[in-house]
Amino acid sequence: GQQVMQIPQYQHVQEGEDFTTYCNSSTTLSNIQWYKQRPGGHPVFLIQLVKSGEVKKQKRLTFQFGEAKKNSSLHITATQTTDVGTYFCAGMGSGNTGKLIFGQGTTLQVKP
Amino acid sequence: EPEVTQTPSHQVTQMGQEVILRCVPISNHLYFYWYRQILGQKVEFLVSFYNNEISEKSEIFDDQFSVERPDGSNFTLKIRSTKLEDSAMYFCASSAGKSNQPQHFGDGTRLSIL
Repeated sequence: GQQVMQIPQYQHVQEGEDFTTYCNSSTTLSNIQWYKQRPGGHPVFLIQLVKSGEVKKQKRLTFQFGEAKKNSSLHITATQTTDVGTYFCAGMGSGNTGKLIFGQGTTLQVKP
Repeated sequence: EPEVTQTPSHQVTQMGQEVILRCVPISNHLYFYWYRQILGQKVEFLVSFYNNEISEKSEIFDDQFSVERPDGSNFTLKIRSTKLEDSAMYFCASSAGKSNQPQHFGDGTRLSIL
C-alpha cells in the first residue's frame, strides 16, 4: 500500500539554527499537507501543496513539493523555542476519498 | 474560529467492553474522518465518511469498528469489543471538501483499555 516516509525522526538544534524535514511517498500524490503537533496536542494544519514544484512560504517556514509530486520538504529558518513540536507530512493519493497517509513525523527540539 | 470538538477527552474501559467516541465536526463541513495515534507513533487513517456512508476504510477498521452520523451534528466511532491494542488517541477530523481542502482535527479522545 501507499507509504509516506519522513526523516529525520528527531532533530535537536540550537535556537537560531535552521531545520529541515523531508518526506517521500511511494506513489504520486494529489496533494501533500503539513501539520504540527505539540506534545499532548492534536495535529494543527499548516499548509497544503497541490502543484508540481510548488513552493510556499509562511514567515520563517518554507514548504516545497517535488516535481514528481512524490516528495516534499519543510525548512524553518532561524528556529525559535516556539517551533518545538512534531512536524508531520500527510499525503493524499488519487483515490479522492480524503484519506491522508501520515509520515512518521520529525520531532524538533530547540535549545535556547 | 470554528473547531472540531470531541468527547470524552479520556475514556478508560475494560477489555471486551463497547465504547463510543463522539465528535462534533465544524458545522459547514461535509467530510468526516477518524484517525488514531498510538503513543509516540504516527497518525493512522481509520475511515472517511461522506453523505452518510463510508468512503474509505483502512485495514485497522475491521468489523469491530463502526461509524455513524446519528443527527445533523454528531459523528461517532464505536468499537464493539475493545482489545488492549485499541489503546490510543483517537482524533476526529472534518473538511469542507475531500481532495484539496485542509482537514481540521479535534483535541482527541485518549482511549485506555485495561
